[in-house]
Amino acid sequence: GAGVSQSPSNKVTEKGKDVELRCDPISGHTALYWYRQSLGQGLEFLIYFQGNSAPDKSGLPSDRFSAERTGGSVSTLTIQRTQQEDSAVYLCASSLGYPYGGEQYFGPGTRLTVT
Amino acid sequence: LAKTTQPISMDSYEGQEVNITCSHNNIATNDYITWYQQFPSQGPRFIIQGYKTKVTNEVASLFIPADRKSSTLSLPRVSLSDTAVYYCLVVSGSNTGKLIFGQGTTLQVKP
Repeated sequence: GAGVSQSPSNKVTEKGKDVELRCDPISGHTALYWYRQSLGQGLEFLIYFQGNSAPDKSGLPSDRFSAERTGGSVSTLTIQRTQQEDSAVYLCASSLGYPYGGEQYFGPGTRLTVT
Repeated sequence: LAKTTQPISMDSYEGQEVNITCSHNNIATNDYITWYQQFPSQGPRFIIQGYKTKVTNEVASLFIPADRKSSTLSLPRVSLSDTAVYYCLVVSGSNTGKLIFGQGTTLQVKP
């Protein structure tokens, strides 16, 4: 079946502009996660959704970052007034949900470059 | 969540068995041990998860001693395509399931 998909695959934007990143999870997966990976670094957790609610937003680095999920499916991560330090690969993952959080299925990521 | 420590890098040759050990001294009773693999320019891929003793699947084996303070991922007969970064994670059975990734072990398989 189809895996997790993300769009766009690459995004180049100018500093100060807003960007939206999209994630389509695996059908039936109730849990959805956003992570980011800076060049040569490990993955950093951003936010977790269970259904449409986000019980854990502890990883969002600033109030410029927000995310929503509608219909228990598609999720959008929005970064306002982008900064150069926002440049990274943004990864989305989904899973069947608690207590299966250990096995998450990752998408290919969106590479964001802020110039 | 328990902190994990694993070697930064390892080298091996094709056909050899590779064992990557991870320490997690502060693992809690309801925590699981999970390993992921990541190739360049791809998202991580789940390999195996266990709680205690030994778990085996078609890809790898996971050995966990009785005190659960460490674990060993065993990759049998590696090939060049197993060159990747391998992450050891401790996942709580009582939280949201968010994954905390460390730096991982970069495995380089040579011909």
